[in-house]
Amino acid sequence: GAVVSQHPSWVICKSGTSVKIECRSLDFQATTMFWYRQFPKQSLMLMATSNEGSKATYEQGVEKDKFLINHASLTLSTLTVTSAHPEDSSFYICSARGTGSDYSPLHFGNGTRLTVT
Amino acid sequence: RKEVEQDPGPFNVPEGATVAFNCTYSNSASQSFFWYRQDCRKEPKLLMSVYSSGNEDGRFTAQLNRASQYISLLIRDSKLSDSATYLCAVTNDYKLSFGAGTTVTVRA
Repeated sequence: GAVVSQHPSWVICKSGTSVKIECRSLDFQATTMFWYRQFPKQSLMLMATSNEGSKATYEQGVEKDKFLINHASLTLSTLTVTSAHPEDSSFYICSARGTGSDYSPLHFGNGTRLTVT
Repeated sequence: RKEVEQDPGPFNVPEGATVAFNCTYSNSASQSFFWYRQDCRKEPKLLMSVYSSGNEDGRFTAQLNRASQYISLLIRDSKLSDSATYLCAVTNDYKLSFGAGTTVTVRA
């Protein structure tokens, strides 16, 4: 259980373009999903909490107008990197909890490796 | 101070050896604790939850020391397939924070 699917697995885009990443919960409903980013040899950093039917909650230092999150259904959250720049190149990973409390572990999608040229 | 800190390693061990490493966390009110495994350029996968009483899953043993605010992971009888980066993760409120990972390399 608690399978999370993410698409695309990798994407290369030109500077200034926008990229949309999809995150789906396949076998459960996720009212909350979490978006992380990981730079090489660094920790996963939480970017934002995606809430179904309401606005996302962004972590300090993450620009909400640059990283647009939409969680329109209980099984789908999307992250759009707008006007991407080379410094946005990173590994973006979504996650969700299956059934269980707020203290249960997160299950991760396979991640999206974004390269901005 | 970072929320979660780990010795980055690398720990280079021969097959069959035992390897252990710790992770410290800064928030004494943290509610739950986990070890994840991350292979190169892949997503983290849950290895095990960590409980105050300590818990074991096959060759892996995890311990939580709330008084000293650290968790540990011990791997017995290391296999080549255990080579990976091990991330500790700590829940504060509903959010999960990660350490930067400890790299373990098991050699034949």
